[in-house]
Amino acid sequence: DIQMTQSPSSLSASVGDRVTITCRASQTIDNYLNWYQQKPGKAPNLLIYGASSLRSGVPSRFSGSGSGTDFTLTINSLQPEDFATYYCQQTYTTPPWTFGQGTKVGVK
Amino acid sequence: QVQLVESGGGVVQPGRSLRLSCAASGFSFSTYAMQWVRQAPGKGLEWVALIWHDGSNKDYADSVRGRSTISRDNSKNTVYLQMNSLRVEDTAVYYCARDRSGWLHSSDIWGQGTMVTVSS
Repeated sequence: DIQMTQSPSSLSASVGDRVTITCRASQTIDNYLNWYQQKPGKAPNLLIYGASSLRSGVPSRFSGSGSGTDFTLTINSLQPEDFATYYCQQTYTTPPWTFGQGTKVGVK
Repeated sequence: QVQLVESGGGVVQPGRSLRLSCAASGFSFSTYAMQWVRQAPGKGLEWVALIWHDGSNKDYADSVRGRSTISRDNSKNTVYLQMNSLRVEDTAVYYCARDRSGWLHSSDIWGQGTMVTVSS
């Protein structure tokens, strides 16, 4: 199975900060990489699919990049509603489609 | 509106069975693959199972393969997860999610989740 490793596991940031989360796959996954945001007690919410395609309705301060094994989620000018946990997921070839362990973005 | 609603969770003893349901509405259910994803208390997301739009293909995580069966009834717009021989480590919130094959199999719609607690 393909393993996904996110870093950092948690970070502290302030409103207005630029935040970067990385995700590394144990083998190449082309651009089959999705990013989700999850708030406590809620279901995950898709932000970005195909490594860099922003889902309609998601603020443009969110962006994704990367291909192959290394990927990045960037949040420009962090807003109060962005404090949450973020997960990457690979959907390359056949399942299992594994998630990273998550990155919690907390208040500094 | 587009919606998924899970049901069937509860408290069950180890070794017993449970069937989860996920009712879809607001979209053409029979044209989408569907997935189950779970989240143990305080832990991350774990992909569990996938079923193609017509039920012709199914995939499972190693952790549930052989003990769980995903199925669907397109006439009822419902996907199921039958879980047998439940273990304490199956305790989790179980989410169903819609698969967007055109979006590289991302999950664009999620239910609110149903809690399964396996405990003696």
